[in-house]
Amino acid sequence: TQLLEQSPQFLSIQEGENLTVYCNSSSVFSSLQWYRQEPGEGPVLLVTVVTGGEVKKLKRLTFQFGDARKDSSLHITAAQPGDTGLYLCAGGAGNNRKLIWGLGTSLAVNP
Amino acid sequence: DAGVIQSPRHEVTEMGQEVTLRCKPISGHDYLFWYRQTMMRGLELLIYFNNNVPIDDSGMPEDRFSAKMPNASFSTLKIQPSEPRDSAVYFCASSTRRGVSGNTIYFGEGSWLTVV
Repeated sequence: TQLLEQSPQFLSIQEGENLTVYCNSSSVFSSLQWYRQEPGEGPVLLVTVVTGGEVKKLKRLTFQFGDARKDSSLHITAAQPGDTGLYLCAGGAGNNRKLIWGLGTSLAVNP
Repeated sequence: DAGVIQSPRHEVTEMGQEVTLRCKPISGHDYLFWYRQTMMRGLELLIYFNNNVPIDDSGMPEDRFSAKMPNASFSTLKIQPSEPRDSAVYFCASSTRRGVSGNTIYFGEGSWLTVV
């Protein structure tokens, strides 16, 4: 069974701090997606990475796909209260028509 | 453009009652997904449809759960009879592809179900 483990599970930081959250697996994925979910809402796609070693930037967010396509990280620079939410990673495999989801990292950025 | 629309947003029901959740996907999307989210298990795919046809229902927990998609603009997820352990947030989502390898899944706001 493919699993995606996210760490840390919870993170509470002050505005302006930097942080990194991780998404790890023992399985290889053909693609890895990151979503942010705000309270009372559904997840919203932030980025998709498909190539081992790929790095994508979205303003203050930097996403990296591991060289072996088994893990990914999300780095946020100078976090703001608007970054608060649940960050979910989801992996897709070649012949598997379902996304495998992590449990998420719950981030709170305090003003 | 309207996103994925789900109803009801919140429902509280008694154990044993039938629950019907409704979903209108984004127009033009040919994939529709039903997910369940809990703190303990995270997001779980229950079933997905392609062009109104159920493709994979292996995530449906048991026979008490059923889903239908009578046309491209409407789907239902039914629980009968409901049990307290069914309490969760149920999300409907739609996509133009399977939802992997670069294709975006769009989620609704969810239906918050509490079974007492």
